[in-house]
Amino acid sequence: DQQVKQNSPSLSVQEGRISILNCDYTNSMFDYFLWYKKYPAEGPTFLISISSIKDKNEDGRFTVFLNKSAKHLSLHIVPSQPGDSAVYFCAATTGDSNYQLIWGAGTKLIIKP
Amino acid sequence: KAGVTQTPRYLIKTRGQQVTLSCSPISGHRSVSWYQQTPGQGLQFLFEYFSETQRNKGNFPGRFSGRQFSNSRSEMNVSTLELGDSALYLCASSQTPQINGYTFGSGTRLTVV
Repeated sequence: DQQVKQNSPSLSVQEGRISILNCDYTNSMFDYFLWYKKYPAEGPTFLISISSIKDKNEDGRFTVFLNKSAKHLSLHIVPSQPGDSAVYFCAATTGDSNYQLIWGAGTKLIIKP
Repeated sequence: KAGVTQTPRYLIKTRGQQVTLSCSPISGHRSVSWYQQTPGQGLQFLFEYFSETQRNKGNFPGRFSGRQFSNSRSEMNVSTLELGDSALYLCASSQTPQINGYTFGSGTRLTVV
């Protein structure tokens, strides 16, 4: 049972345009969501997070949107740059002492020059 | 400050053998989590340790085990290796996972032949 789903295995975007990465979840108890970026042969690096009390969080070129009623979140990158080419994972966790993160399968973002 | 250090970086083992992987978290981080990453499967949670106690465990067979030492360093062990255990094993540490996310090491690439 996949509680966090990233339905697009890959996404190709022109440099300078907006990249939109999507993530759906099924567990309504999730109240904290994170996005990680991963380059080959490296561990994932934390990008941005959002609490369920918010519907938007912005950090530079990265914005995460949360739609609780649809159980959907998205990561917007604008403008997209070649260095953004990587695999992006979304993850979710509940607000109790169990800090286990539930991960999506990842979306490979390719930025075309 | 030093990041999360995983050793070794690469490992080749024969089916049926056992293996021990090591992780040194960031100084001050008491939570250490282990993940398995295989192509198309995203990050699969193995277990999490906090102050030498296993706090969470994923859905892996008992061949996968771990421990954490008083200095927060952690090891994971896989016994009776199978071909399907070939993967990138990632360790992540955190002080407060929900606020700061996890910091990942570069991983150990295990190949079982």
